[in-house]
Amino acid sequence: SQQGEEDPQALSIQEGENATMNCSYKTSINNLQWYRQNSGRGLVHLILIRSNEREKHSGRLRVTLDTSKKSSSLLITASRAADTASYFCATDRTGANNLFFGTGTRLTVIP
Amino acid sequence: NAGVTQTPKFQVLKTGQSMTLQCAQDMNHNSMYWYRQDPGMGLRLIYYSASEGTTDKGEVPNGYNVSRLNKREFSLRLESAAPSQTSVYFCASTEGDGGEKLFFGSGTQLSVL
Repeated sequence: SQQGEEDPQALSIQEGENATMNCSYKTSINNLQWYRQNSGRGLVHLILIRSNEREKHSGRLRVTLDTSKKSSSLLITASRAADTASYFCATDRTGANNLFFGTGTRLTVIP
Repeated sequence: NAGVTQTPKFQVLKTGQSMTLQCAQDMNHNSMYWYRQDPGMGLRLIYYSASEGTTDKGEVPNGYNVSRLNKREFSLRLESAAPSQTSVYFCASTEGDGGEKLFFGSGTQLSVL
């Protein structure tokens, strides 16, 4: 499979704690993106990091990218109950014109 | 703006029946996509259209056909539904020719009995 693989598959934390999710992929990429999906809803774009970038921030989100290890991490700081959702990484492979999604991490934030 | 609108939201079919899932976007995007989402398998690309008048197969195109009716609309047709096509279907669009931020519809939950 050329999809990304998220780790862990499920994560449960207390409100206020930080949540870290990881994504590994297999081929060279132009960019890597993270999406959130609330139960029964469509995916919502969170952040995009390009292959020549190593770290990016957006509000409480911090994304890192290590192209030598073909991996990325998403850190959500000071989590809230509203952050409960599934999180997916998606890769824009070099030479492709569409995204390949991983299987997702299910995050539960306990109030 | 409505963004990406999919219809219907829910559908139950019998094996062998046909149906068309409709998708429309009002963001003047060039590229449109159909994905299916199954438990434990993430999203898999069925078909995509990089521009009006063009369509290409994705990872799992068998049993599906698509039509890019105009720049706004991209439909997905199941000619003879099978239980293996029970899934949640998502339409998405993006401004360029692919690889950038996707905007998703709210999904169609399809059950084939």
